[in-house]
Amino acid sequence: EVQLVESGGGLVQPGGSLRLSCAASGFTFSSYEMNWVRQAPGKGLEWVSYISSSGSTIYYADSVKGRFTISRDNAKNSLYLQMNSLRAEDTAVYYCARTLPWRTYGMDVWGQGTTVTVSS
Amino acid sequence: SYVLTQPPSVSVAPGQTARITCGGNNIGSKSVHWYQQKPGQAPVLVVYDDSDRPSGIPERFSGSNSGNTATLTISRVEAGDEADYYCQVWDSSSDHSWVFGGGTKLTVL
Repeated sequence: EVQLVESGGGLVQPGGSLRLSCAASGFTFSSYEMNWVRQAPGKGLEWVSYISSSGSTIYYADSVKGRFTISRDNAKNSLYLQMNSLRAEDTAVYYCARTLPWRTYGMDVWGQGTTVTVSS
Repeated sequence: SYVLTQPPSVSVAPGQTARITCGGNNIGSKSVHWYQQKPGQAPVLVVYDDSDRPSGIPERFSGSNSGNTATLTISRVEAGDEADYYCQVWDSSSDHSWVFGGGTKLTVL
């Protein structure tokens, strides 16, 4: 079964850091591009970051550029999101999502999400 | 930056047809993807590349895209279709960003 499982969410103070992980199984992780998408409470979906299958190409939303770092370990079938200088507006459920394997950039598999709360 | 506009809500009676629109400048030139999200659950891809369905998605879900509007059509609506629906495109013109519409709440009356 194709599956993505996020972990690492929690409560953190403003200005703090957190590292999210996403464990992939049931498919050849190293062949797929991946994304992080977040959803603030009661709000819509917001794309956060993208990484190519090899990790050589990375993009970020303007709202997190310079504060968040996406990475992957294909040997461990894992995707990561290092979040620094966290703000209250980063409070959200964070999903990892697999990119469709052709260049139209939809997302066909999603994890269940992990909740990040930034509050003092 | 590229903007996708969806109606906040659409209501339809069971058995009828629901149409959810997604507006964007020349969106017909882009590939549009649609997601269904039920409360407390992760999004699920229901239509990709304007009009294709992933395996396991009922034929009742279909999509179209032309000009400045993409449309998700749900035929013979069921109570279980009640959810939020989001459209999404990839915008290569603005530093490579993935853009979501604001979402549409589908209510089955």
